[in-house]
Amino acid sequence: GAGVSQSPRYKVAKRGQDVALRCDPISGHVSLFWYQQALGQGPEFLTYFQNEAQLDKSGLPSDRFFAERPEGSVSTLKIQRTQQEDSAVYLCASSLWEVNGELFFGEGSRLTVL
Amino acid sequence: GQQVMQIPQYQHVQEGEDFTTYCNSSTTLSNIQWYKQRPGGHPVFLIQLVKSGEVKKQKRLTFQFGEAKKNSSLHITATQTTDVGTYFCAGSGTASKLTFGTGTRLQVTL
Repeated sequence: GAGVSQSPRYKVAKRGQDVALRCDPISGHVSLFWYQQALGQGPEFLTYFQNEAQLDKSGLPSDRFFAERPEGSVSTLKIQRTQQEDSAVYLCASSLWEVNGELFFGEGSRLTVL
Repeated sequence: GQQVMQIPQYQHVQEGEDFTTYCNSSTTLSNIQWYKQRPGGHPVFLIQLVKSGEVKKQKRLTFQFGEAKKNSSLHITATQTTDVGTYFCAGSGTASKLTFGTGTRLQVTL
């Protein structure tokens, strides 16, 4: 596709449910990032992939958060046993280069945990 | 860890007035990028600065990277209603991840 695609755009989950958020980056982009953006805040780094390798997961808030990119293209962010504080927009971004490249963001997945 | 702060948090200007947002990092940056996020939208890349003291212009927008590579600014001349949105700086140190600033929300009225 022409841009970064994320699905679902909106997700409502009951507290305790597991959710999976998908990101389809721009074809050929090496780097893939996940960010969490709370209302009125800047994007907070969660994790980074270079191809299929997860090189940095220092931003994942707890072990309930897990991300993968098994074939170096599509990525999934999984949140287990969701809590209300997980409510946020989850942004995926891809970049052509390994380092210091322009990030192309998807529209985001808005998660609301009731 | 690395922290990136921006001031002001919010600015409301009349169309035609100038606007400046300032970005300060707690650590030296290898490069800094600026993004604009419209209400309800996603961040969109504006520019990247790499060199100490670098100044770049895009039409009415002027971007500057500090000599110590720890601060940056974005100046908009003669704002228009299309400039409305939140402006984020984002810096990276030695690692690949970009740390986003706290953002400055710009409101422009006629």
